[in-house]
Amino acid sequence: NAGVMQNPRHLVRRRGQEARLRCSPMKGHSHVYWYRQLPEEGLKFMVYLQKENIIDESGMPKERFSAEFPKEGPSILRIQQVVRGDSAAYFCASSARWGADTQYFGPGTRLTVL
Amino acid sequence: EDQVTQSPEALRLQEGESSSLNCSYTVSGLRGLFWYRQDPGKGPEFLFTLYSAGEEKEKERLKATLTKKESFLHITAPKPEDSATYLCAVPSRDDKIIFGKGTRLHILP
Repeated sequence: NAGVMQNPRHLVRRRGQEARLRCSPMKGHSHVYWYRQLPEEGLKFMVYLQKENIIDESGMPKERFSAEFPKEGPSILRIQQVVRGDSAAYFCASSARWGADTQYFGPGTRLTVL
Repeated sequence: EDQVTQSPEALRLQEGESSSLNCSYTVSGLRGLFWYRQDPGKGPEFLFTLYSAGEEKEKERLKATLTKKESFLHITAPKPEDSATYLCAVPSRDDKIIFGKGTRLHILP
């Protein structure tokens, strides 16, 4: 399956712990995006990355959240010192090009903060 | 501000009862409009991309159309397996994809 892969699918953390979410883009795609989805709300853009570069992180909280897409390996969304308000579904998407190009989504990681 | 608004928020139909979902947008210079289907607990599944007013695309019981102000997702003779949330999205002026909140479609057998 050459689709977008995310793991883990479910992640439970206690307040103050760190959460690491991983995303492998679709084969041949070099553009990765992270979104957050809260119940009854739409998908909200967080960050856009290419290999070894953060292109646009305007949707990501400035504190506790970081993202990377190393030369080798998956993209990582890292949330430090999680709080209950971080509980949400986090989706990764990838595209072949930036801009008005179709994005394909992974199955998501559901983060629950106790 | 670039916005995407979908209506209705929720729609219940009987199996076989055709209807349409609406997506209106305020982005100027539209460079594409995307429709996705999302099932509970899953990621959005790509359905269609439309690029210009007058364009139409079809897939099984779904047909997407586009005007200068809005898009419609027409569903013909739906089946229970068409029940899902349907999301509409457009690229904003700074190339971020903006999603509507979706229409929750429930098809009753």
